[in-house]
Amino acid sequence: QVQLVQSGAEVKKSGASVKVSCKASGYIFTGHYIHWVRQAPGQGLEWLGWINPNNGGTYYAPMFLGRVTMTRDSSISTAFMELSNLRSDDAAVYYCARSMKNGAFDMWGQGTMVTVSS
Amino acid sequence: DIHMTQSPSSVSASVRDRVTITCRASQGMSSWLAWYQQKPGKAPNLLIYKASSLQSGVPSRFSGSGSGTNFTLTISSLQPEDFATYFCQQTNSFPFTFGPGTRVDIK
Repeated sequence: QVQLVQSGAEVKKSGASVKVSCKASGYIFTGHYIHWVRQAPGQGLEWLGWINPNNGGTYYAPMFLGRVTMTRDSSISTAFMELSNLRSDDAAVYYCARSMKNGAFDMWGQGTMVTVSS
Repeated sequence: DIHMTQSPSSVSASVRDRVTITCRASQGMSSWLAWYQQKPGKAPNLLIYKASSLQSGVPSRFSGSGSGTNFTLTISSLQPEDFATYFCQQTNSFPFTFGPGTRVDIK
């Protein structure tokens, strides 16, 4: 069964970092980019960037440059997203998603809620 | 960055109604557009890619059209399970961007 399973909810203080994991199963992990998208409560979808699981290459959305780091461990088919220097407006559900060659996201994780307290 | 807009922001419709949602891009992007459906508390689900290609397993009442800067998603006969929020996404260039969403609810 093709799926992405994310780590559980996190509660962090302002200024701290959070690291979310995304474990892939049912397909060849290195065959598809993994993207990260977040959604604040009641809001739309915001794209953070991607990682190429094959070689670890990354691309980050400009507004997250310097705060986001995406990594992977191919031996366990898992991608990671770390966001540092958390602010209150970083509180959101964070999703990982697999992209097809045309760029669309055909598989999503279940989401990880990140709460930021002051 | 390519800025995406959607209209309407919400629509009230009845079962079996035909619903059309529009997505506009701030610059031309050929057919590099995807549509997603999202239900409360769930991850988005891919409906359409490359503007008009139906994702495997998605009912044929969903269709997409358009190219360049103007795109539409049509639900030909709304079903009870289609009440949800719909997002467009441009996959033409990084950073990928999404439209603000269109909520489809029951009239």
